[in-house]
Amino acid sequence: LAKTTQPISMDSYEGQEVNITCSHNNIATNDYITWYQQFPSQGPRFIIQGYKTKVTNEVASLFIPADRKSSTLSLPRVSLSDTAVYYCLVGDSVDSNYQLIWGAGTKLIIKP
Amino acid sequence: EAEVAQSPRYKITEKSQAVAFWCDPISGHATLYWYRQILGQGPELLVQFQDESVVDDSQLPKDRFSAERLKGVDSTLKIQPAELGDSAMYLCASSLAPFRAYSYEQYFGPGTRLTVT
Repeated sequence: LAKTTQPISMDSYEGQEVNITCSHNNIATNDYITWYQQFPSQGPRFIIQGYKTKVTNEVASLFIPADRKSSTLSLPRVSLSDTAVYYCLVGDSVDSNYQLIWGAGTKLIIKP
Repeated sequence: EAEVAQSPRYKITEKSQAVAFWCDPISGHATLYWYRQILGQGPELLVQFQDESVVDDSQLPKDRFSAERLKGVDSTLKIQPAELGDSAMYLCASSLAPFRAYSYEQYFGPGTRLTVT
């Protein structure tokens, strides 16, 4: 069964860098890897997307190794407002069936 | 900033009743997604539209769920009859990227919280 795997939860402190890794062994050849942030009772919000190597925007960086079987979302200098659930999203190909696969999410708690 | 609109925000219904959710995507976004999210889990794709056409409904329980996007703009998701297990958040998202463009930058609405009693 195709799936992605993320840690269930993580804790960190304000001002620290946080790295969240997602594994996706069956990612479709041409698909991007996309990360979302979700606060309680809200829809997910797009953070960053990449295909390979490293992508950086104003809020995060995304590191993707050459085999693309995993990706790491990096949040620099987190604050209390970064407490949320973070999801990775990939297109997955197993047995020629294409599926859009969301991870189960990583609950990130930032402490003062 | 343009947003995806959904209504209602909350819906309580009794099992065996019919319920409908409405979504208005960001103007110009041809791709529209309906997701179901059970508390504590990631979103589960129910159906994806490209303009007015369904391009993926493989996870939609078609015996009780239906979705339409008649003019390729707003969309309606219906459940009939509702079951206790349908209690969840129903999310709508839209995207500029067409189906199988391999890019999934989606914009989500606030969702509809459904409770079936």
